[in-house]
Amino acid sequence: DIQMTQSPSTLSASVGDRVTITCRASQSISSWLAWYQQKPGKAPKLLIYKASSLETGVPSRFSGSGSGTEFTLTISSLQPDDFATYYCQQYNSYSGTFGQGTKVEIK
Amino acid sequence: EVQLVESGGGLVKPGGSLRLSCAASGFSFSSSCMNWVRQAPGKGLEWVSSISTTSNYIYYANSLKGRFTISRDNAKNSLYLQVNSLRAEDTAVYYCARTPTDYISGPYYFDYWGQGTQVTVSS
Repeated sequence: DIQMTQSPSTLSASVGDRVTITCRASQSISSWLAWYQQKPGKAPKLLIYKASSLETGVPSRFSGSGSGTEFTLTISSLQPDDFATYYCQQYNSYSGTFGQGTKVEIK
Repeated sequence: EVQLVESGGGLVKPGGSLRLSCAASGFSFSSSCMNWVRQAPGKGLEWVSSISTTSNYIYYANSLKGRFTISRDNAKNSLYLQVNSLRAEDTAVYYCARTPTDYISGPYYFDYWGQGTQVTVSS
């Protein structure tokens, strides 16, 4: 199975900060990567698909980039609503693996 | 408005079984591939299973093959997950999620999620 590794596991940031989360795949997944946001007690929300395509309705401060094995999710200016846990997910193979998550906390 | 509402979870003893259901509305269910994803307490997300629009193509996580069975009833706009031989490590919130395509060759990404149903396996 393809393994997905996110870094960092926890990130402390302030409102207005530029935030970058990295996701690395154990083998090439082309651009078959999605990013999700999850708040406590809630279902995940799709932010980005195909590595860089913004889901309809998601604010433009979220962006995704990368291909192959290295990907990033960037929040250009962190807003109070953005404090949450973020997951990447590969869908190149039959395993649909998620990363372990990155928790974005208030600094 | 797209809605996915899961039900059927609960407390079950090790070795027991449950049938989880997901009622879909607000979109063309018969034209959408569907999935189950689970999340153990305090842990990350784990893809469980995916099913194509006509049930011709079904995929499972390797670790769950043989114990879990996904199915759907397009006439009832419903998705199901039969879970057998339950173990403590199956304790999780089980989410129903939609894939925005009418064809899959494996798990894809998920654009709408239900609120989840809790499955607790304990004696």
